[in-house]
Amino acid sequence: GQQLNQSPQSMFIQEGEDVSMNCTSSSIFNTWLWYKQDPGEGPVLLIALYKAGELTSNGRLTAQFGITRKDSFLNISASIPSDVGIYFCAGQIVTLWYNNNDMRFGAGTRLTVKP
Amino acid sequence: KAGVTQTPRYLIKTRGQQVTLSCSPISGHRSVSWYQQTPGQGLQFLFEYFSETQRNKGNFPGRFSGRQFSNSRSEMNVSTLELGDSALYLCASSSLRQGVTDTQYFGPGTRLTVL
Repeated sequence: GQQLNQSPQSMFIQEGEDVSMNCTSSSIFNTWLWYKQDPGEGPVLLIALYKAGELTSNGRLTAQFGITRKDSFLNISASIPSDVGIYFCAGQIVTLWYNNNDMRFGAGTRLTVKP
Repeated sequence: KAGVTQTPRYLIKTRGQQVTLSCSPISGHRSVSWYQQTPGQGLQFLFEYFSETQRNKGNFPGRFSGRQFSNSRSEMNVSTLELGDSALYLCASSSLRQGVTDTQYFGPGTRLTVL
């Protein structure tokens, strides 16, 4: 299926810096999700967004559902070493007339935080 | 609530063999999706089961199959293993109510190595 365009592919930052990553698509999604994956583990849900324009925070993380429903961004403020990992965006389409759990993933942003 | 569990966590097989992976969803979740994750292809959707029925299928050969039991537990099977089947296989569950988006929660994955 169609993948989302996630950027940047990787980031190397100093501890304490802010981070921003985003996802875009040519398709409209009902839901945008952001996951973090540590090596050898499954993705862990960070933030879920359900409405266009929605801005949601989870601690130092903030994510927004784009107005056009075709994009989303994730910001991490004051990064710390444990933020290291791969961050994935996912767009979900749910049709009202048919239960269809159709989800597309970005390729991931690999974050490295230098102490 | 216990999270999604997958067994085994690690598996080594040889070409031509078959393998069965197991997934137990979060209690109350009736939708189970399977994904293959590789460094080159990222997260690729395999199939989704809901109430013991396969409702969505990704673009994978017929060697990949699955099933879901009445307690929502799911298994996936890969027959005639190939080297390229080496990957992290992830299972995700969601409650998937009628016409309502619901997020997917991932298990830790099964790391399959085909020699």
